[in-house]
Amino acid sequence: DQQVKQNSPSLSVQEGRISILNCDYTNSMFDYFLWYKKYPAEGPTFLISISSIKDKNEDGRFTVFLNKSAKHLSLHIVPSQPGDSAVYFCAASVGDSWGKLQFGAGTQVVVTP
Amino acid sequence: SQTIHQWPATLVQPVGSPLSLECTVEGTSNPNLYWYRQAAGRGLQLLFYSVGIGQISSEVPQNLSASRPQDRQFILSSKKLLLSDSGFYLCAWSSKRQGKAEKLFFGSGTQLSVL
Repeated sequence: DQQVKQNSPSLSVQEGRISILNCDYTNSMFDYFLWYKKYPAEGPTFLISISSIKDKNEDGRFTVFLNKSAKHLSLHIVPSQPGDSAVYFCAASVGDSWGKLQFGAGTQVVVTP
Repeated sequence: SQTIHQWPATLVQPVGSPLSLECTVEGTSNPNLYWYRQAAGRGLQLLFYSVGIGQISSEVPQNLSASRPQDRQFILSSKKLLLSDSGFYLCAWSSKRQGKAEKLFFGSGTQLSVL
């Protein structure tokens, strides 16, 4: 039972353009959302997060938007750079869950010159 | 600074053979430790987590077990591997903080192929 879904397995974007990654969830109890980035042969690294009391969080080129009514969040990368080519995982948790995250299947982003 | 070590990076094992994957964390004490697995085409699934030495919680029924013999050591084991145990295994740690989900710090993973 996938509670967190990333329906786009891959995304190709030109360098300098915006990358938009989408994530949907089904559990209305989720109150904390995170994005992780993964390069080949490495473990995922934390990128950005958002609490359910907010609808936007920004960190440099990365912005996460949360639409609770639609149970949808998105990650915007502006401008996209070649080093952004990686797999991006959306994750969610309920309250005081001590790192017990529910992950999506990931989206492979390829930034082309 | 904190670091997490996980080995081996890749492993090919025959069906029915035993398994032992080890993970150690440096630079922190009393961390929460986790084993996640990613099967092909799916997200990372939490297998086990531990809040202290000897304390293991299992999230899904399976052919695997976990142990935490020392504060910063976490071991994933199986007595007899199944084909369905193939996947990418990730160890992770987080600090303890009341009332809020903490971000995870992952090891580099082990790609396990059971043939």
